[in-house]
Amino acid sequence: SQKIEQNSEALNIQEGKTATLTCNYTNYSPAYLQWYRQDPGRGPVFLLLIRENEKEKRKERLKVTFDTTLKQSLFHITASQPADSATYLCAGDTAGNNRKLIWGLGTSLAVNP
Amino acid sequence: DVKVTQSSRYLVKRTGEKVFLECVQDMDHENMFWYRQDPGLGLRLIYFSYDVKMKEKGDIPEGYSVSREKKERFSLILESASTNQTSMYLCASGSPYEQYFGPGTRLTVT
Repeated sequence: SQKIEQNSEALNIQEGKTATLTCNYTNYSPAYLQWYRQDPGRGPVFLLLIRENEKEKRKERLKVTFDTTLKQSLFHITASQPADSATYLCAGDTAGNNRKLIWGLGTSLAVNP
Repeated sequence: DVKVTQSSRYLVKRTGEKVFLECVQDMDHENMFWYRQDPGLGLRLIYFSYDVKMKEKGDIPEGYSVSREKKERFSLILESASTNQTSMYLCASGSPYEQYFGPGTRLTVT
C-alpha cells in the first residue's frame, strides 16, 4: 500500500544549527509532497509544497528537496531557533484520488537554546 | 487569513450518545475534511466533502457520518459514541495542495 514514512525518533539540535528531517515514500510516486508544522494540542499548519519535477524549494529559513531516485524529501530549517520546536508532518497526494492526502506520523523537533 | 473554527475544544460524552462536531470555514473552499489523530497512528481521514451535499468516505468511516448542507459548514456525527472514538478530531478545508486546519476538538467518551 502507498506509504509516507518519517523518522519516529525525536530530533534534538542546538540553536543556530540546521535541522534536517526526512520523509520517505513507498509503493507509489506522489506528484507532490507537503510539509506541515504542528504544535501540541493544535491543528497542523501548512508550510511548503514541492512537486515531483521540482528539485528544491525555499521559503525564508526553510528548504525542501524532492529526490525521485531516493524516493525521499528532505526538510531543512537553517539557523534554527527554540521557537521552531514542534512536530513536522509530511503528506503526499494519493495516486488515483487527488483529493486525499497520505500522512506521515511526523517527526518531533526540539531546538535547545 | 483563512479561518477554520470548530464548535468545541474539549468535549466529554457518554457511551451511546449521539455526538455532533461542527466545523465552519470562511474561505469559500469547496473541499472540507474530517480527520482524527491518535498517538502512533497519525492523522487518519474519516470523511471529506468536495461540494455541498457531496461526500466521500475516507480511510476510517465506520461509526461516523457527515453532513454538508452549506458550503461553509461540515459536520461530523458519531451516531452512537463508543470509547474507541476518544480522540482528537481535526477539521480542515482547502485544496489538495494546501489544507487549513481548525484548532481541533478533543473528545473523550466515557
